[in-house]
Amino acid sequence: DQQVKQNSPSLSVQEGRISILNCDYTNSMFDYFLWYKKYPAEGPTFLISISSIKDKNEDGRFTVFLNKSAKHLSLHIVPSQPGDSAVYFCAASEYTGTYKYIFGTGTRLKVLA
Amino acid sequence: EPEVTQTPSHQVTQMGQEVILRCVPISNHLYFYWYRQILGQKVEFLVSFYNNEISEKSEIFDDQFSVERPDGSNFTLKIRSTKLEDSAMYFCASSDDAPLHFGNGTRLTVT
Repeated sequence: DQQVKQNSPSLSVQEGRISILNCDYTNSMFDYFLWYKKYPAEGPTFLISISSIKDKNEDGRFTVFLNKSAKHLSLHIVPSQPGDSAVYFCAASEYTGTYKYIFGTGTRLKVLA
Repeated sequence: EPEVTQTPSHQVTQMGQEVILRCVPISNHLYFYWYRQILGQKVEFLVSFYNNEISEKSEIFDDQFSVERPDGSNFTLKIRSTKLEDSAMYFCASSDDAPLHFGNGTRLTVT
């Protein structure tokens, strides 16, 4: 039951270039989406969110795009920095009084100096 | 910046033993969660907790699991009789809105 999928297990990008991480979901009832970054031996760190009423949200170097018709979201990081190297998870939830986030399997981003 | 703290960072236990994983959520948060990540796999939802009761739980969260907020600051996850397959990183999270804020996890090793 993979309601949230990240089909690229890894991605390598040159420093200064754009990193694009993709996420697909199947449940049309999902109405809130998050991106997390995770370093080894640490918990996931919240990066950016988007609700289903929007199609774009931007915070500094991070932008999330949501395409509801395609059930697809993406995270753009520009410019990419070596410190961005981590595993990135997307997560999606339908609000039912609380948020029960379903996480994707993660994409390991490596930013090359 | 306030953070979620979890103790211990690593817990080793024998199969069949009870373990309690502890969490101190961010103080003004009202929603509390436990997630786990088996090595190499995705982060999985276990349970959400609000207003001193379970809001939602996954199929993983069976009768061996329980949660408690005993004193208004701690939030605990108890596994009554651990199995080998319970070995995982267990993450506590709290929120006052949509984004969840995670602790650094407890690595549970069941031998």
